[in-house]
Amino acid sequence: AQSVTQLDSQVPVFEEAPVELRCNYSSSVSVYLFWYVQYPNQGLQLLLKYLSGSTLVKGINGFEAEFNKSQTSFHLRKPSVHISDTAEYFCAVSAPMDSNYQLIWGAGTKLIIKP
Amino acid sequence: GAVVSQHPSWVICKSGTSVKIECRSLDFQATTMFWYRQFPKQSLMLMATSNEGSKATYEQGVEKDKFLINHASLTLSTLTVTSAHPEDSSFYICSARDKSGYGYTFGSGTRLTVV
Repeated sequence: AQSVTQLDSQVPVFEEAPVELRCNYSSSVSVYLFWYVQYPNQGLQLLLKYLSGSTLVKGINGFEAEFNKSQTSFHLRKPSVHISDTAEYFCAVSAPMDSNYQLIWGAGTKLIIKP
Repeated sequence: GAVVSQHPSWVICKSGTSVKIECRSLDFQATTMFWYRQFPKQSLMLMATSNEGSKATYEQGVEKDKFLINHASLTLSTLTVTSAHPEDSSFYICSARDKSGYGYTFGSGTRLTVV
């Protein structure tokens, strides 16, 4: 079984500063990794995903994440945040061997941008 | 890109009535649909997984007679909350997996308020 841990429930950061949202996972099999963003009262939008290949994944809105197999991490980063990045961010994993390809979710990290 | 249209975006209903939520994949065929419930400031809780043409698989603790899921075609899945009560008030989100197995597209969510 897989599990996902997002260590920070909230991350406050000043506008135009860099940010890193942490995500660690546990799994006995290979996994696919995802980051989603949720704006208030909306569904989830895919930021980026890692399936295979290059461990540095670039996504939308200037975000990127790096898959680190030895540390079982998939931290999300952005070099300079904007007020519009205020949202909830969810890390998720799925196992290719799972016939239903269910997503296992982290608890979410609320990114708070301070002006 | 892939789009899942979820309707209604919000609904207020009286206790004891039933509410139907629809999710349609607009430009792809959704082999699997996931239905989630999200409580305020919490992560997504998977309610059930449905594959087109077969009965939904419900997660432990989710009443299948209360939350009726129908996935009659590759582009339409519905969730009906029967005999709704105030404790069913929540944010419901659908997610469709496309045929590639790598893509998950989310609906915009439905805010259900039972009064």
